[in-house]
Amino acid sequence: DAGVIQSPRHEVTEMGQEVTLRCKPISGHDYLFWYRQTMMRGLELLIYFNNNVPIDDSGMPEDRFSAKMPNASFSTLKIQPSEPRDSAVYFCASSLGRQVANYGYTFGSGTRLTVV
Amino acid sequence: TQLLEQSPQFLSIQEGENLTVYCNSSSVFSSLQWYRQEPGEGPVLLVTVVTGGEVKKLKRLTFQFGDARKDSSLHITAAQPGDTGLYLCAVTGGGNKLTFGTGTQLKVEL
Repeated sequence: DAGVIQSPRHEVTEMGQEVTLRCKPISGHDYLFWYRQTMMRGLELLIYFNNNVPIDDSGMPEDRFSAKMPNASFSTLKIQPSEPRDSAVYFCASSLGRQVANYGYTFGSGTRLTVV
Repeated sequence: TQLLEQSPQFLSIQEGENLTVYCNSSSVFSSLQWYRQEPGEGPVLLVTVVTGGEVKKLKRLTFQFGDARKDSSLHITAAQPGDTGLYLCAVTGGGNKLTFGTGTQLKVEL
């Protein structure tokens, strides 16, 4: 398996533009997580899905953020409109639910978003 | 307030030195995980500790879970430049979601 695949690796956009981040989880994993990492706040959970259904989106900063998982092999995180304070590294991770306590998550390489 | 506080926040040492980093909380956990994150990559799981007082070794890395299952430590013997990275502890909550600690940024220089 190629692991969790995220695209793009880097994104630079202007304030006010729409940004879409993409994630392909590991085949067979039933949980998918979106995290944001900044120096100030560390790794923060934004939203997670179980079997393609959003379970907890309490970490989503505001209505400008939305996430979808239309099928088991694809998820998107969208920011519209983007703001400079959204600049961060966004990670997608997947896991097999019953094995999280022992095997943890598998993370993608992240998308570094810069909003100017 | 952070659920998991890690210390120190930053650590810069010379190759061959020993070091210990800590992960502390006031809560009790059923298990705790340690991850290492290298620049430009996502975190990678190193180990899971489950039992209070448990010690696990991974080559030069020694992980310990506190007796009360509220804290954990990671000791590295004879650090090498390849050990450079961000070390994160994490605990599971409801719904299989992980909460990560504040992290320790380690730099090992030649």
